[in-house]
Amino acid sequence: DIQLTQSPSFLSASVGDRVTITCRASQGISSYLAWYQQKPGKAPKLLIYAASTLQSGVPSRFSGSGSGTEFTLTISSLQPEDFATYYCQQLNSYPRTFGPGTKVDIK
Amino acid sequence: EVQLVESGGGLVQPGRSLRLSCAASGFTFDDYAMHWVRQAPGKGLEWVSGISWNSGSIGYADSVKGRFTISRDNAKNSLYLQMNSLRAEDTALYYCAKSSGWYRKPFDYWGQGTLVTVSS
Repeated sequence: DIQLTQSPSFLSASVGDRVTITCRASQGISSYLAWYQQKPGKAPKLLIYAASTLQSGVPSRFSGSGSGTEFTLTISSLQPEDFATYYCQQLNSYPRTFGPGTKVDIK
Repeated sequence: EVQLVESGGGLVQPGRSLRLSCAASGFTFDDYAMHWVRQAPGKGLEWVSGISWNSGSIGYADSVKGRFTISRDNAKNSLYLQMNSLRAEDTALYYCAKSSGWYRKPFDYWGQGTLVTVSS
């Protein structure tokens, strides 16, 4: 099974900050990686798929990059509504594992 | 508008069974793979199981393999999860999620979840 790790697990940042979250896969997954945002009490929301393709309706301050085993999610200028937990997910093979999550909190 | 509505959750004793359902609307159900994802209280997301559009490809997390069975009824636009031999660690909010395509595609729509509590 493919394992995903995320770093950091917790991030404290201010509005306007540039934020980067890293996701690493235990083996190569090409570009079969998605990023989700989850707010408390809500279902996850798809942000990015195919490692770098922005889902329709998602603000352009979100971007993704990477391929193989290392991926990043970047928020160029953090907004108040971006404080949430972010998960990566590999779609290369079953089981479709998620990373452990990165909580982005207000500094 | 795409809607996914889960049902069937509740309080169940360890070792017993439960069947979850997900009613889908607003899209052509039999064009898409579907998945179950769970989240234990205060924990992260865990993919549970997925099924292709025609039920020809099915996958399970190791934690549920042999105990859970995913199925779908395309005529009824419905997804199911039969959960047997339930354990305390199966306690979670169970989400139904739609894949954006037929293979290796992300989950673009999610339901609001149904809560399963396994306790004596």
